[in-house]
Order: sequence, then structure tokens, then C-alpha cells
Amino acid sequence: NAGVTQTPKFQVLKTGQSMTLQCAQDMNHEYMSWYRQDPGMGLRLIHYSVGAGITDQGEVPNGYNVSRSTTEDFPLRLLSAAPSQTSVYFCASSSLGRLNTEAFFGQGTRLTVV
Amino acid sequence: DAKTTQPNSMESNEEEPVHLPCNHSTISGTDYIHWYRQLPSQGPEYVIHGLTSNVNNRMASLAIAEDRKSSTLILHRATLRDAAVYYCVGHGSSNTGKLIFGQGTTLQVKP
Repeated sequence: NAGVTQTPKFQVLKTGQSMTLQCAQDMNHEYMSWYRQDPGMGLRLIHYSVGAGITDQGEVPNGYNVSRSTTEDFPLRLLSAAPSQTSVYFCASSSLGRLNTEAFFGQGTRLTVV
Repeated sequence: DAKTTQPNSMESNEEEPVHLPCNHSTISGTDYIHWYRQLPSQGPEYVIHGLTSNVNNRMASLAIAEDRKSSTLILHRATLRDAAVYYCVGHGSSNTGKLIFGQGTTLQVKP
């Protein structure tokens, strides 16, 4: 049982480049989300999805796009990377409809924009 | 959205109990209180959750105040492996699964 898988684990981008962070889960969870974590800070919600074809913005969505074409996958796209997007990115999934369920997190993608 | 407030850091001695407090005065009546922890260089992992009454599992206990405006995560015997950042997590409004993370408490465990 793989849980939540994020790729790549590390990435260095030049300013202005674009890339996609991948997230996949094998637990048939409806809810998926992306967070970023800056040094010494808590996690901030970027985008989330409550099911295939449905996405919404979180607290810090600017500079990021998401799509949810399948239940399993929730990729995060950086349109034009900026040094301010240097951070660790975490993907999470959980079963929707019940607030008493736990969320599962991936191991993170450490992104550096130079 | 339910916001949470925790102390920035706490220290404990190994094999002693640890009580980690959290204030969540804006919590709604149907929001569960969740706790997660984050070990160095890892993603957050679930610890425990509850609604109104105290909860126990193999990792920890959760004591929830009667007015639900605060809660305490209890590690009964801290080990060095419990050194982590502990997050008391609020829920976004409506049943969307949104988790609202605060700054968390960094727990140091001394041998």
C-alpha cells in the first residue's frame, strides 16, 4: 500500500521555468490538497480538490495551477517559477464527507528556484 | 475557518509525560480537533483526533475541554523519537476536508 506518492523529491529550477509536481494516492480518497512549507513555518494550503473535475483555491494559490482529471492524481503546476516559490511542497489526501478521518501526507518535494 | 494557537516550543525529559496545549476558541460545534506531528524532513503524520470527549490511541491521549475551546495532547512517556513539531489542526468551514495548520509546537526531548 503506497499511500501518497510525490515526485520528484528534489528539484532545482531557474527563474521563469515551469514544471509540474506530481502527486498520486492509491486509497480512493476524494479529497486531495497541496501545501507549501517555508523554513520554520507551518503548512499553508495552496489548492485543494473534493473530487475529479473539482478544484478550488486555498490560502496561497497565486503562481500555481492544479487539475484533477482522475481520483488518483492531483498535479501541481508552477507556471513561471520565482525565488519566492522556493519551499517544501506536500500533497495530502483524505476521505471526504467525514471530518473525523485522518489525512495522509506525502514525503514532500523540496523545490529551489534560483 | 477554525484557527489554533500553540506555544512555539516545549522541552521534556525522556520517559516523562508531556502535555502539549492548544487553544481553538473559534472552533465550531461540529469540527473535530486533530493533531498531527512532523518529524524532521518528513511529511506530517496523523496522531489523534476527537470531538467532545477524551480520546486514547496507541500514540497519545487527547483531553478536550468541556467548552471545546482548548485541548491538550498527552504523550504518556516521551521518547527521543517523539521529538517533532506537533500541530493542533483546525478545519476549514464546511465539510471540505480542509486542514488549517498553525505554527505548531516544537517538542525537544532530552535524554
